[in-house]
Formats: sequence, structure tokens, C-alpha cells
Amino acid sequence: DGGITQSPKYLFRKEGQNVTLSCEQNLNHDAMYWYRQDPGQGLRLIYYSQIVNDFQKGDIAEGYSVSREKKESFPLTVTSAQKNPTAFYLCASSNPPGLAGGSTDTQYFGPGTRLTVL
Amino acid sequence: AQSVSQHNHHVILSEAASLELGCNYSYGGTVNLFWYVQYPGQHLQLLLKYFSGDPLVKGIKGFEAEFIKSKFSFNLRKPSVQWSDTAEYFCAVNPPNSGNTPLVFGKGTRLSVIA
Repeated sequence: DGGITQSPKYLFRKEGQNVTLSCEQNLNHDAMYWYRQDPGQGLRLIYYSQIVNDFQKGDIAEGYSVSREKKESFPLTVTSAQKNPTAFYLCASSNPPGLAGGSTDTQYFGPGTRLTVL
Repeated sequence: AQSVSQHNHHVILSEAASLELGCNYSYGGTVNLFWYVQYPGQHLQLLLKYFSGDPLVKGIKGFEAEFIKSKFSFNLRKPSVQWSDTAEYFCAVNPPNSGNTPLVFGKGTRLSVIA
């Protein structure tokens, strides 16, 4: 079964703690993305990576960090510096246009992780 | 700032009513356009997309969208909604010449279909 998995589904954290959200894909996609979804705000981009060992900040990167050591994995760490971390976090992946078997620029999403800070 | 606008935050319709959700974007040049849907408790799923060709795009579950370049719009339509269409709908744009860069999303429209 091809797809994107995120774990855990629900996560609770105490203030001041760092926490890492997992995202794994077996679609052989080059690019991966992290979005944050808040009610009435839509999806806002945190970080993205177009290739292994490279990543760029999105619109709301402050208080977050990522790594891309493997093509299939793009973990997101929510640090204690993130002022308002309670949210729903979505991971996505895609391939660039023109690759055989890929859908041009279509992003595929994981099921999400709901993080609550207590 | 360049952006994607969805004008309706929450739409409430009766079953069998027709649906039109607005989406406007502010990018010039050639864009790729998407509508995603998020059913309660489920993944964000692709509903339909436009890259080129016929500006009237058919998607899954009876949805369609029309790209009107002169109006920078990509409105989503369905002639007759069902209770199962209750969900949140997101319009997204892949800006011009951006290849594999992230999509820019609108803030979403919540659709509630009542019996």
C-alpha cells in the first residue's frame, strides 16, 4: 500500500518540552512538506524539502526544525521556542513535473498529527 | 502579497441544493490550480486539478471547477449536494514556474449539508 504515514495520531506535550513528529512516505517522492492547520487559517507552510539533505523554511518556521537524511523520511521537531504549538500538523509529498509515473505537482497528504500542549 | 482567497468561510446547504465555492488567486502567469477536500476525520484528498487545456475540469464525486483566467478564479461547483459532501474544501495554487515548490492554500470553506 503506497502512501504517507504520520505518527503519532495524537500527541500531548508539556510546556517547555521538545517533541518530534514523524512523517514517512513510500511513494518515492523527492519533495516533502510540513503544514500546520488551525481553524479558519487554512494550511500554512512550516518547512519543505525538495531533495535529501536540503530543506527550506516556509512561512511560519520559527520554533520548528526538520531534517531530511533519507528520501522517505521528513521528521518535524516542535521546540519549546514555538509560542503556540497546539495545532493539527500535516505532512505531504510530491514529485516534480515530468517524472514518469508521477502526477505533476500534485501533493499527497498524510493523516495528520494533532498536537496539544498542556 | 500574492495569495489565494476563498470568500466563504462556512456554507450551509440543504441536500439537493447546488453548490458553488469561490476561489481567487493573485498570481500572474501560468498557474496550476487544485481543490482539496477534508472529510471529518480523514486525510486531505485531491478533488480535482487544472494544469492546462479545457478550463472546465471534472473531479471525483460529481464535482467540477472552471478556470477563468481573466477573473483569476477557479470556482468549485456541484449541481446537487449530498449529506456526505459535508467537509472542508481548500483551494490551492502552484505559482508560476515553481516546479516542485509548495502549494499556496486558501483558508478553506467549511460546507455543512443538512437533510
